[in-house]
Amino acid sequence: NAGVTQTPKFRVLKTGQSMTLLCAQDMNHEYMYWYRQDPGMGLRLIHYSVGEGTTAKGEVPDGYNVSRLKKQNFLLGLESAAPSQTSVYFCASSYSGAHKKSHEQFFGPGTRLTVL
Amino acid sequence: QQPVQSPQAVILREGEDAVINCSSSKALYSVHWYRQKHGEAPVFLMILLKGGEQKGHDKISASFNEKKQQSSLYLTASQLSYSGTYFCGTGLLNYGGSQGNLIFGKGTKLSVKP
Repeated sequence: NAGVTQTPKFRVLKTGQSMTLLCAQDMNHEYMYWYRQDPGMGLRLIHYSVGEGTTAKGEVPDGYNVSRLKKQNFLLGLESAAPSQTSVYFCASSYSGAHKKSHEQFFGPGTRLTVL
Repeated sequence: QQPVQSPQAVILREGEDAVINCSSSKALYSVHWYRQKHGEAPVFLMILLKGGEQKGHDKISASFNEKKQQSSLYLTASQLSYSGTYFCGTGLLNYGGSQGNLIFGKGTKLSVKP
């Protein structure tokens, strides 16, 4: 099992460019999440999905869009990148929601994005 | 809504003990602890549920005081491998159903020296 994989690992964009980050999991998890991690800020939830075809906003959704067309994939899009979106992006997946005893989030290796 | 972790950083010698605290201003249903080593992804350590018992992980254990909305992570006889940043994630009581997400704290950086 590959677990959670993210593509690409690194990316440099110019202000105004767009891009899509791909997250894939092979654990048949229902829940998937996109976080951003900035120095001293911890992990902040951007968007999440509780199943195929569903998405919802997290704490910091502005400037991002997501899609979950297939259960195993969760895409994060930046339509017009800004320097404030320079960050490390982590995708995670879980079998259940946070209220369940079985809740454990499995994280991908991260994508380091720089917007110039 | 972000939980507050303390201390922000701690330096230990091998074999020493440490306590990391996590405090929320919101009523909690669950507290989750993760560890992240430098340049790597966070890794799950344990979960504590409202009304549940204290959970352990080798020499790492945790407690959850539901009334105070606080959790503490106890690292006993620390090892070099314990170095990293520890995050607590809180599941809010009023989130509803099984769709609760986690709100993570800013982290506590733990450095264990030989």
